[in-house]
Amino acid sequence: SQQGEEDPQALSIQEGENATMNCSYKTSINNLQWYRQNSGRGLVHLILIRSNEREKHSGRLRVTLDTSKKSSSLLITASRAADTASYFCATARNSGNTPLVFGKGTRLSVIA
Amino acid sequence: KAGVTQTPRYLIKTRGQQVTLSCSPISGHRSVSWYQQTPGQGLQFLFEYFSETQRNKGNFPGRFSGRQFSNSRSEMNVSTLELGDSALYLCASSPLGHQTNEKLFFGSGTQLSVL
Repeated sequence: SQQGEEDPQALSIQEGENATMNCSYKTSINNLQWYRQNSGRGLVHLILIRSNEREKHSGRLRVTLDTSKKSSSLLITASRAADTASYFCATARNSGNTPLVFGKGTRLSVIA
Repeated sequence: KAGVTQTPRYLIKTRGQQVTLSCSPISGHRSVSWYQQTPGQGLQFLFEYFSETQRNKGNFPGRFSGRQFSNSRSEMNVSTLELGDSALYLCASSPLGHQTNEKLFFGSGTQLSVL
């Protein structure tokens, strides 16, 4: 069953602009992870934020987590054409030994 | 280190046939998970293997099965294929698996088409 739901489903921006994607989830979590997938390929892990963290940075990526609202956002600054991909949030639940559950993703298109 | 390797990359089968997909995890990773990805359902968890034992199973029919070998390589099998089994099958490995809520390393997937 889908735990995370990304919003928007698709996003199209110009190169150099910032891209923001949101993820909402339903149950308490241990951590939330963001992954990227280029068309028809495997997923690549981008960043992991733990439930006791509120914000995390990695290069041009900024992730926030609001556990009271059960939501997270991924911000990509100064987007490049190479950032064109699908982005998924995945939640790791607090109850042990449950699989990582993925949302359906946001399709980002960065136009040069 | 080599990444997660999945073979074959593409596969075309007909309804009623069976198929076996293979996954070699990153060296030292003992957990292998399988996911099915379709445009309509997104990524759905199939199962996780750790040290040759199935540790977790998703909500899929018994036609979907898997196993893990002593070198951590894993195979998944789908019997009596249906059109709806057409999907990208992704394998992911990690050192200790979902039990530790760690990140996953994915292979490039096997694109299965059932005609």
